[in-house]
Amino acid sequence: SAVISQKPSRDICQRGTSLTIQCQVDSQVTMMFWYRQQPGQSLTLIATANQGSEATYESGFVIDKFPISRPNLTFSTLTVSNMSPEDSSIYLCSGGTGVRTDTQYFGPGTRLTVL
Amino acid sequence: GQQVMQIPQYQHVQEGEDFTTYCNSSTTLSNIQWYKQRPGGHPVFLIQLVKSGEVKKQKRLTFQFGEAKKNSSLHITATQTTDVGTYFCAGLQESGTYKYIFGTGTRLKVLA
Repeated sequence: SAVISQKPSRDICQRGTSLTIQCQVDSQVTMMFWYRQQPGQSLTLIATANQGSEATYESGFVIDKFPISRPNLTFSTLTVSNMSPEDSSIYLCSGGTGVRTDTQYFGPGTRLTVL
Repeated sequence: GQQVMQIPQYQHVQEGEDFTTYCNSSTTLSNIQWYKQRPGGHPVFLIQLVKSGEVKKQKRLTFQFGEAKKNSSLHITATQTTDVGTYFCAGLQESGTYKYIFGTGTRLKVLA
């Protein structure tokens, strides 16, 4: 199994600023993902973080707003850029081996509030 | 694109009553996972089902994967106040891009 940590655990930010969230996995995982969970909602996949190349974004999410880096197999960052109150959410990263019968593990999430 | 719906959206039960949530996918799944999220917490992995018709049990929880691998259910027997939270299923498509799509979730409240 993999243990995933995220920093920061929570933050309160001003409109128009940016926040970078870090995700660290304790073992090498092939796949890393970023999700957003708005209050009272389900989890929505933002993008797949690809090692050493541009992330693969889901419909409705763009690189300019959510730039993602993944310099190695155990670390990824998500930046929420030019924030507005609508970006207030929990942001979660997850990791897995990419084998279809394996489990996907989640980090504890970053609770972001934008004023 | 793939959609995963859960019913009911909300369920209030008296402690000791049973509870079931149903998960339905628009496409055939390779596997399905279930998660529990307590209020203020993050999703915690409960179980994964892979085989058609598979049934797994964890104490009072019973998980089932449909024969067509497009639906699943979670049944809790004799609910307790510790069962409170939102239960999500997450499905992995049988083919194509490797990514889990989460269901809409069922929020369970247990009244003591």
